[in-house]
Amino acid sequence: GAGVSQSPRYKVTKRGQDVALRCDPISGHVSLYWYRQALGQGPEFLTYFNYEAQQDKSGLPNDRFSAERPEGSISTLTIQRTEQRDSAMYRCASSPTRAYAGELFFGEGSRLTVL
Amino acid sequence: KNEVEQSPQNLTAQEGEFITINCSYSVGISALHWLQQHPGGGIVSLFMLSSGKKKHGRLIATINIQEKHSSLHITASHPRDSAVYICAVLEETSGSRLTFGEGTQLTVNP
Repeated sequence: GAGVSQSPRYKVTKRGQDVALRCDPISGHVSLYWYRQALGQGPEFLTYFNYEAQQDKSGLPNDRFSAERPEGSISTLTIQRTEQRDSAMYRCASSPTRAYAGELFFGEGSRLTVL
Repeated sequence: KNEVEQSPQNLTAQEGEFITINCSYSVGISALHWLQQHPGGGIVSLFMLSSGKKKHGRLIATINIQEKHSSLHITASHPRDSAVYICAVLEETSGSRLTFGEGTQLTVNP
């Protein structure tokens, strides 16, 4: 596609449920990043992929969060046993080069609300 | 103390004014990004800097690595420039982790 696509755009779930958020980066982009952004705050780094390799997951808050990019293209961020504090905008960005050496292209985000 | 601090947090200007947004950071970096977040929430990359100065249209970004400081300038500001401007640094030690500032909310009135 022409840009970074994320789905779903909005997700409302009950506490304790698992959610999967999808990111479809720009075709051919090497790097893929996941961030989250609470209301009124700046984005917070979660994890980084170089092709299919998850090279940095230091921003994942705990082991309920995981991410994969099995074929080096589409990525899925999974949150297990969701909690209310997980509510945020989850953003994906891709770059044609490795690790922030180039411009970042952001998706529109997936807004997660945990009730 | 945040590793990346922006000032001011909020800025209101009249159309045509020269705008400056500042970013200071405390870690060694290999690059710095300036991002623009629209009222609808979308984020757009404006600049990536590792040294010196870049210009694109009415936007100018500068960085002083020794002083660990960057500025974003907007000349002849316009109401459509109203947005949140975010500074983010690529930490030298991590190689991939981008640390963001809290953002500066700019409102330009006609």
